[in-house]
Amino acid sequence: QITLKESGPTLVRPTQTLTLTCTFSGFSLSESGEGVNWIRQPPGKALEWLALIYWDDDKLYSPSLENRLTITKDTSKNQVVLTMANMDPVDAATYYCAHAAYGSLTGYYDYWGQGTLVTVSS
Amino acid sequence: VLTQSPATLSLSPGERATLSCRASQSLSKYLAWYQLKPGQAPRLLIYNASNRAPGIPARFIGSGSGTDFTLTISSLEPEDFAVYYCQYRSSWPRFGQGTKVEIK
Repeated sequence: QITLKESGPTLVRPTQTLTLTCTFSGFSLSESGEGVNWIRQPPGKALEWLALIYWDDDKLYSPSLENRLTITKDTSKNQVVLTMANMDPVDAATYYCAHAAYGSLTGYYDYWGQGTLVTVSS
Repeated sequence: VLTQSPATLSLSPGERATLSCRASQSLSKYLAWYQLKPGQAPRLLIYNASNRAPGIPARFIGSGSGTDFTLTISSLEPEDFAVYYCQYRSSWPRFGQGTKVEIK
């Protein structure tokens, strides 16, 4: 069974860099076709896709945020890390990581973590 | 751009829910539906417009292609009251604004 769990700070100051970790089980990012995404939801607003990293270290970023985002993986720890630079109060959101894999569900997110709420305030 | 309607749907258990997702350009069949509940992991319901994800009850029915898509919940169960999002599969995945299905 695939599970994912997000962790990181609940509060960051404006201009700081946010670092979030997704720890997963039930699949390996060393296996062909596997990927992990980051998606966020500001309070009362819609979901927004942020970034994706594949098993082969290929990476995709939201064009609207890519100059602030970095996604990396640690296959040995079954972890994916997202950093977002220069945080602003508008970046306050619940941040989710989600599994995606090549196959019949290519491009869709079949397993999600429960999310972690991040507040941005001085 | 994905436009979902209505923003809120007020229904009673047992009633039929019809949710719409309209795209600004053709998506072929590449659309998914998700269910979100507070404090829970989002759940994939439908992918490629009409395919139920594993373990999803038959009362969830996806239909449509091109620019117009529909999620139908044939008979609402108490656990179905939630927010539903459509998503376009692409190199820059996009979500709709959501439809809240609330108890009338």
